[in-house]
Amino acid sequence: EIVLTQSPATLSLSPGERATLSCRASQSVSSYLAWYQQKPGQAPRLLIYDASNRATGIPARFSGSGSGTDFTLTISSLEPEDFAVYYCQQRGGLFTFGPGTKVDIK
Amino acid sequence: QVQLVQSGAEVKKPGASVKVSCKVSGYTLTELSMHWVRQAPGKGLEWMGGFDPEDGETIYAQKFQGRVTMTEDTSTDTAYMELSSLRSEDTAVYYCATLRPLSHYYFDYWGQGTLVTVSS
Repeated sequence: EIVLTQSPATLSLSPGERATLSCRASQSVSSYLAWYQQKPGQAPRLLIYDASNRATGIPARFSGSGSGTDFTLTISSLEPEDFAVYYCQQRGGLFTFGPGTKVDIK
Repeated sequence: QVQLVQSGAEVKKPGASVKVSCKVSGYTLTELSMHWVRQAPGKGLEWMGGFDPEDGETIYAQKFQGRVTMTEDTSTDTAYMELSSLRSEDTAVYYCATLRPLSHYYFDYWGQGTLVTVSS
């Protein structure tokens, strides 16, 4: 099983700041990595697929990069609605999710 | 637009089984690859299994092998997930989620979630 680790566990930032979230895979997943956003009481929402492609309707302030084992989600300027938990997920092997990074308001 | 509507919350005793349904509208079930993901209270997402469109079979996470069964009724466009031998650690929100070619085989549509509580 491919294990995903995410860092940091919590990121405390203010609106307007830049957020940089990391996801590392235990073995190469090529570019088969996605990022999801989840708010309390809601289902996850697909943000980024294949490491760097924004899903339909996702604002340009969200961007993804990386390949192989190291990936990054960047939110260029945090909006109030961006404070949430973010998960990475791979499909290079059977599907697995990372443990999540909570982005909260400083 | 795909809509996934799941069945309501369940309370089960340890050792029992639970069957959660997920009704599809906007697409037919045969056009989708349906999967199940769960989330324990305050915890992360855990993939349980789903339909692999490449080989036409249902695949399960090793953790749930032998305890979970995922089925589909194409006549009603409803997917089901049955989990047996329930224990307290199975208390979670269970989501159905779809993979499609248009989503590049990532989970783009999700049900609203079904809370399953396992308690004596």
